[in-house]
Amino acid sequence: EAQVTQNPRYLITVTGKKLTVTCSQNMNHEYMSWYRQDPGLGLRQIYYSMNVEVTDKGDVPEGYKVSRKEKRNFPLILESPSPNQTSLYFCASSKPGRDTQYFGPGTRLTVL
Amino acid sequence: KQEVTQIPAALSVPEGENLVLNCSFTDSAIYNLQWFRQDPGKGLTSLLLIQSSQREQTSGRLNASLDKSSGRSTLYIAASQPGDSATYLCAGRDNYGQNFVFGPGTRLSVLP
Repeated sequence: EAQVTQNPRYLITVTGKKLTVTCSQNMNHEYMSWYRQDPGLGLRQIYYSMNVEVTDKGDVPEGYKVSRKEKRNFPLILESPSPNQTSLYFCASSKPGRDTQYFGPGTRLTVL
Repeated sequence: KQEVTQIPAALSVPEGENLVLNCSFTDSAIYNLQWFRQDPGKGLTSLLLIQSSQREQTSGRLNASLDKSSGRSTLYIAASQPGDSATYLCAGRDNYGQNFVFGPGTRLSVLP
């Protein structure tokens, strides 16, 4: 089954404790992206990747890092999480340009 | 910078009605526009993708149109059903980069 998976689905952590949210897709898509969704602000793009070893900032990249060492994986790294990074995070993938975006189920992160 | 708005923010209709959801974007240099559905606590599901060279796309009871000159897209839902209740989001990808900008969504309730 074609899908985008994220882990963990739920995470509660404390300020400053490094964490990684994994994202994996099995559709051989070149393009992958991370979003955060906040009430009243909608979905905002954090980082995206056009292909392996190619990443670029979205609209809200501060406080986040990403890497794309393999085509199927695109982890989101929070080196020193802060409470304002409490949010619902989505990973998505697509073929570049023309195809639809496929979204993962989301990761709900709470930073205390 | 592209900005996407959606009207109305919420809509409640009786079952069987036809309805229209609106999406507006500020930059007409749009590469494609996509409509999504989001159910509570879940990820996004792509409904329709309209390329910049297209005027509309149809899938079952859904029809989406794109008018670049006026900066508008509409999602038409025919013969609405309670199962259509969800939040509907539109997202535009512009010609200048690979990032997507989402609207805030329209929360639809279809009453039996």
